[in-house]
This record gives sequence, structure tokens and C-alpha cells, in this order.
Amino acid sequence: NAGVMQNPRHLVRRRGQEARLRCSPMKGHSHVYWYRQLPEEGLKFMVYLQKENIIDESGMPKERFSAEFPKEGPSILRIQQVVRGDSAAYFCASSPRDSGRELFFGEGSRLTVL
Amino acid sequence: AQKITQTQPGMFVQEKEAVTLDCTYDTSDPSYGLFWYKQPSSGEMIFLIYQGSYDQQNATEGRYSLNFQKARKSANLVISASQLGDSAMYFCAMREVNTGNQFYFGTGTSLTVIP
Repeated sequence: NAGVMQNPRHLVRRRGQEARLRCSPMKGHSHVYWYRQLPEEGLKFMVYLQKENIIDESGMPKERFSAEFPKEGPSILRIQQVVRGDSAAYFCASSPRDSGRELFFGEGSRLTVL
Repeated sequence: AQKITQTQPGMFVQEKEAVTLDCTYDTSDPSYGLFWYKQPSSGEMIFLIYQGSYDQQNATEGRYSLNFQKARKSANLVISASQLGDSAMYFCAMREVNTGNQFYFGTGTSLTVIP
């Protein structure tokens, strides 16, 4: 699972700034998932994307959060006007196009909002 | 309703003993997969084991086995011969194949292995 690359690993932002988290899936994977993990809690689904399409964004907050997975380049989770409650670990995972057996995780991006 | 339920927030086990971590799930999709992940204190998510809804036999991977009871909708993880390095959070997850392909995670069980 080292193949899913997330950066930055750690990000510090002040309230009101923007945070951009990037995820490069494993080679050949076209399904990307974003999860948020608050301290001492489990993973909460945020969004599921395929190349150039948002498939399911039912877990995304209605405001300030957006995600994309362009034809070229990494998937990006963008948080505008961050607040302290956005402080969390954000995990990206990828899955092969035609297999449901595994979900490969990145090492997460830890956002701290001051 | 919760898709995945893990009722044990914390568990303790003596080194070299076996331990069972409980997981129940809820789905009406006949085709689904069940997963267990380990999250050590370093934070990464490590895939442990997978069970497909149509698999006839319980999955095993080394010291990990999945006790799959389909009628009861349970997918308990059994760790045999516990080691100190097994101390971590353990998450059960499910993927519904015909209902959006989304993965659902439980709230996790914190396992502590006692020397």
C-alpha cells in the first residue's frame, strides 16, 4: 500500500486559509476514496471519485469542501476557509478498476488548524 | 442504521493468546466484501484480510482468520498467537458491490497485547 502517495503528510494552516491535499493512486487504479479520521475516531467516508467524475460525495460537508480527480494528475481534496474543527487525518485510498478485493490506503495527511 | 458495528472499543489479550474482534454488518446487497484493517500508532492503514460474500470458506492470512457467519451478518477477526506488535486499532469495513461501491468502516477496536 506504499503505492498510494499522499502529500503533504503534515499541513498546518491558520483559520481562514485554504488546505489542499493531494493523492496519487496506485498505478492503474482509477477509483479514489477520501476519508476523514478525527482524533480517537474511525474513518468517515467523504467522497468517491473516478477519473473526471464524482461518483458519491454524500460524506462531504456542503460548504468549503471540494474534491476532484482529473484525467491527468493526482486527486485533490480542497478545504477552503479552514476552521479548527477541520483538524484531522485525511486518508486517500485507491481501488483497481475491476476488483473489489482491496482498498489500498495512503499514509494520510494530517491537517492542523491553528 | 449503521452499516458496520464494532461493539468493543477496547480489548486486552495476553501475549501468545488468541483474541476475537467482533464485527457485524448490515446490507441488503447480495454481493459484498468484508475487510479488516490495522492502524498502528504510526497512523497508516494496513490491509489484513478479505472475505467475499460468496466465499464458501472462511478467509485466512497467516495468524489472521475471519469467522464469517453470513446468516448472522458477522465477520469477526481472530488473531492467533498474539504478539506485542499486534497492539493497534482494528477496523472492520464492508464494500457493497451493487450499491455504489462505497466502503463503510466501523468505529474500530483498540487492541492491547499484554506481555
